[in-house]
Amino acid sequence: DAGVIQSPRHEVTEMGQEVTLRCKPISGHDYLFWYRQTMMRGLELLIYFNNNVPIDDSGMPEDRFSAKMPNASFSTLKIQPSEPRDSAVYFCASKAGATDTQYFGPGTRLTVL
Amino acid sequence: GENVEQHPSTLSVQEGDSAVIKCTYSDSASNYFPWYKQELGKRPQLIIDIRSNVGEKKDQRIAVTLNKTAKHFSLHITETQPEDSAVYFCAARDYKLSFGAGTTVTVRA
Repeated sequence: DAGVIQSPRHEVTEMGQEVTLRCKPISGHDYLFWYRQTMMRGLELLIYFNNNVPIDDSGMPEDRFSAKMPNASFSTLKIQPSEPRDSAVYFCASKAGATDTQYFGPGTRLTVL
Repeated sequence: GENVEQHPSTLSVQEGDSAVIKCTYSDSASNYFPWYKQELGKRPQLIIDIRSNVGEKKDQRIAVTLNKTAKHFSLHITETQPEDSAVYFCAARDYKLSFGAGTTVTVRA
């Protein structure tokens, strides 16, 4: 299994631009999580899905952030418009419902200039 | 929501010595406590976990202990090696995972 796949691995953009991060969970996993990691705030959960349905988006910082999961094998996290304080590493993780372990993707390092 | 505190923030040990990282949690409903290791520039990877119905779990040089009454759990690494150098995160789950701030472990050769 290829594990959780994220793209792009690195993204550099200018303030005000739209950014779309992509994630493909492990096949058969029905939970998908988006995390953000910064030095100041550590690893924080933004949103998670179960069977493609958003369950808890209380961690989404503001309306500029949105996430979708149109099918079981694909999710996006969009930031529009982006701001320098959005610079962070964004991780996607997935797990199978009957198990506890979350498997993380390699992350997308986002830099907003 | 759950609040996880982790100590120390940095830990330097001599190769071969033991390392101990401690975490406390706030929500007595939390029932799952994983530990993740993150090497520089890499993804967090699960190294060991424990459920609330177990007090201790061991996997080779790594062990985790849980005290539900006191709401704290600890990671123990014995016979540390240079490849143990990384950032370690504890987490607790009530209905979602909440992570500690991380401990940067440096193993001196």
